Amino acid sequence: EADIYQTPRYLVIGTGKKITLECSQTMGHDKMYWYQQDPGMELHLIHYSYGVNSTEKGDLSSESTVSRIRTEHFPLTLESARPSHTSQYLCASSPLRDRGPSTNEKLFFGSGTQLSVL
Amino acid sequence: KNQVEQSPQSLIILEGKNCTLQCNYTVSPFSNLRWYKQDTGRGPVSLTIMTFSENTKSNGRYTATLDADTKQSSLHITASQLSDSASYICVVSDRGSTLGRLYFGRGTQLTVWP
Repeated sequence: EADIYQTPRYLVIGTGKKITLECSQTMGHDKMYWYQQDPGMELHLIHYSYGVNSTEKGDLSSESTVSRIRTEHFPLTLESARPSHTSQYLCASSPLRDRGPSTNEKLFFGSGTQLSVL
Repeated sequence: KNQVEQSPQSLIILEGKNCTLQCNYTVSPFSNLRWYKQDTGRGPVSLTIMTFSENTKSNGRYTATLDADTKQSSLHITASQLSDSASYICVVSDRGSTLGRLYFGRGTQLTVWP
């Protein structure tokens, strides 16, 4: 079992609310990621981080923001949720050996947060 | 365009039977290919990794193959169990950037019936 935790597991909120999805890992991994996954579709990278104070946008444009103040913590925030944000959000981590090609990195995923915006 | 295509989209088999899942990719330059298992409501878990020089690799009842020439991989499951019911995702990594970008397939949804 991977030591990476996401809370909450399920979240149902109304349009316009501000939400924060939590992600923590105890493996000391430098790299962390946020993916968005819809049923029957591939995972899409929305944010990633190399380490503390490093955040980058992924391939899929997202209105969410992330922060990385501590190595183990990588929260995702939506300032004003909309129904189009309804999806499953998966957090992952991997060890960073260097910033060159990391050929054998394995991702460790959390159990995900299923977000429904009404 | 770099892509990963998986087939079939879904598959139903009886407990104890074998099955093979397919993954075709166009990712270049190729670095490695991983198969992940994703149980319903959980995050994906890595089953195996295939690098360019590897043709076959086994992990218990799971055997992955890779043909780098035809850019195809397969995941064979032997003597299926109810707990094998899950989505199996093929993920290919390139070497074209410092990040080692990952390309995800949409998965094959496997259901094992008793």
